[in-house]
Amino acid sequence: DVKVTQSSRYLVKRTGEKVFLECVQDMDHENMFWYRQDPGLGLRLIYFSYDVKMKEKGDIPEGYSVSREKKERFSLILESASTNQTSMYLCASSSLQGHGYTFGSGTRLTVV
Amino acid sequence: QKEVEQDPGPLSVPEGAIVSLNCTYSNSAFQYFMWYRQYSRKGPELLMYTYSSGNKEDGRFTAQVDKSSKYISLFIRDSQPSDSATYLCAMSAFASTDKLIFGTGTRLQVFP
Repeated sequence: DVKVTQSSRYLVKRTGEKVFLECVQDMDHENMFWYRQDPGLGLRLIYFSYDVKMKEKGDIPEGYSVSREKKERFSLILESASTNQTSMYLCASSSLQGHGYTFGSGTRLTVV
Repeated sequence: QKEVEQDPGPLSVPEGAIVSLNCTYSNSAFQYFMWYRQYSRKGPELLMYTYSSGNKEDGRFTAQVDKSSKYISLFIRDSQPSDSATYLCAMSAFASTDKLIFGTGTRLQVFP
């Protein structure tokens, strides 16, 4: 069964901490994405990557950075966590052939 | 105006009812249309994938695209309590590296 695996389901961090969210896919997909999902706002794209060591800003990149050192792994970094970054974070991947995204189960991050 | 509009619901129906979920969009370049189902505290999963106009059926689910009206629908026949979830529409102009544009989702509740 093909998968996108996010390292944590639930995470609680303190304001100002550096936070790493990890995502690994086993489908040899070229494209990977990070979204956050908030009630009433839907899915908002933070960053995406079409290739190793390549990254593109999405709609809301402020306060975030990403790293893609290997094809299968895409990490989201919150440089200095703030309470307004409390959210559900979703990683997704897709192939060059398209056919939609495969999502991970999500990480619910709470910043206190 | 958002590129993709979707009624947030909630939509509450009795078991066995036919459910109609809809999205409208403004970008006439969209050619690829998807429906995702998202259970509470989980990541979205791809339900239906269609290209251009027309209908596609998969079991109790039918996806319909009307490009002339910029309107897509998902019909669920013989709805079950297990169909209770949030349904997100998504679309793009190209299959491969194009970012998906998501609706905000419609919450569906099917009661026994």
